Amino acid sequence: DQQVKQNSPSLSVQEGRISILNCDYTNSMFDYFLWYKKYPAEGPTFLISISSIKDKNEDGRFTVFLNKSAKHLSLHIVPSQPGDSAVYFCAASLSSGTYKYIFGTGTRLKVLA
Amino acid sequence: NAGVMQNPRHLVRRRGQEARLRCSPMKGHSHVYWYRQLPEEGLKFMVYLQKENIIDESGMPKERFSAEFPKEGPSILRIQQVVRGDSAAYFCASSLRTGGIWDRNTEAFFGQGTRLTVV
Repeated sequence: DQQVKQNSPSLSVQEGRISILNCDYTNSMFDYFLWYKKYPAEGPTFLISISSIKDKNEDGRFTVFLNKSAKHLSLHIVPSQPGDSAVYFCAASLSSGTYKYIFGTGTRLKVLA
Repeated sequence: NAGVMQNPRHLVRRRGQEARLRCSPMKGHSHVYWYRQLPEEGLKFMVYLQKENIIDESGMPKERFSAEFPKEGPSILRIQQVVRGDSAAYFCASSLRTGGIWDRNTEAFFGQGTRLTVV
């Protein structure tokens, strides 16, 4: 039972344009959502998070939007840069166990120069 | 300021052998987590440990897998009698604390992972 889903395994975007990565979840009890970025042969690194009481969080070029009624979140990267090329994982957790992340399967982003 | 250190980076074992994966958390971190990533899948939580204690092992397979985090030394994930299906990337993460509110102190920092191949 996949509680966190990333339905697009890959995405290609031109440098300078906006990248939009999507994530859907099924458990309405999730309290926190996070995005992690992963380069090949490295561990995931934290990118940005959002609490379920918010609908938007922004950090530089990265913005995460949360639509609780649709159980959907998205990560916007603008402008996209070649160094953003990586696999992006969406993750969710409950406040009863903030350490226990439920990860999606990832979306491979390729930013074309 | 070293991050989470995992070794070995790559491990090859024959079916039936034992695999030992080591993880040294970030300095000052006392909470350690192990995750497994099977091919074409996301990371899946296995176990959460503090020094000398297993706090949550709800993601651990019931047999052949064990984890420890001794008072001194790294955390160890041990897989006995490995099978082909154990081939995966195993990631360790650590955090300064854990709790009901997520903030940067509860953020989990991941190591580079150990890629286990069972032949």
